[in-house]
Amino acid sequence: AQTVTQSQPEMSVQEAETVTLSCTYDTSESDYYLFWYKQPPSRQMILVIRQEAYKQQNATENRFSVNFQKAAKSFSLKISDSQLGDAAMYFCAYRPTSGTYKYIFGTGTRLKVLA
Amino acid sequence: DVKVTQSSRYLVKRTGEKVFLECVQDMDHENMFWYRQDPGLGLRLIYFSYDVKMKEKGDIPEGYSVSREKKERFSLILESASTNQTSMYLCASTVRSSYNSPLHFGNGTRLTVT
Repeated sequence: AQTVTQSQPEMSVQEAETVTLSCTYDTSESDYYLFWYKQPPSRQMILVIRQEAYKQQNATENRFSVNFQKAAKSFSLKISDSQLGDAAMYFCAYRPTSGTYKYIFGTGTRLKVLA
Repeated sequence: DVKVTQSSRYLVKRTGEKVFLECVQDMDHENMFWYRQDPGLGLRLIYFSYDVKMKEKGDIPEGYSVSREKKERFSLILESASTNQTSMYLCASTVRSSYNSPLHFGNGTRLTVT
């Protein structure tokens, strides 16, 4: 079965510092997509960044970047220059490109940003 | 921007009541989803729909049903609410044509069953 694991239920980071959230997944597929979503206290989940498995280059969106290691099935999110507004739940998600419309989510990491 | 609107932010219902959670999206998305979010369990898929009147069970469909009579609207129905259905419910939509299309979420409905 395809699974997504986020092993850090909660993390803290000092404002302006860098933090890395981990995500691992299990799949036998060779082609898929990976996503990081952010859910602030207001609750609406929004997309942070996405990665296509066939692309070796790590995706970057402003202060957010990923470290995608396909062989290790690892997809970590790095947040640079952390801001108070980055405090949220972060969910990693996987979507295969065959056979299903499903997205599979991890259990989430709560990020606290300390002033 | 895509807007996904869930009709209620908070609902309190009694055990045994029939409960309707409504979701409307304004971007002509084919795919719509209902997730349940519980602490420590992440998001679990209840049902999804890939077209009008089409639906498929997700991972935890027991105790739930869905209706999609119009493309923009996807309803989640709790036939007889129970206390173990107290949770946050999230609706989402996306286009069908591309696997890298992200989900667009509503604000969520916090349902309490007493």
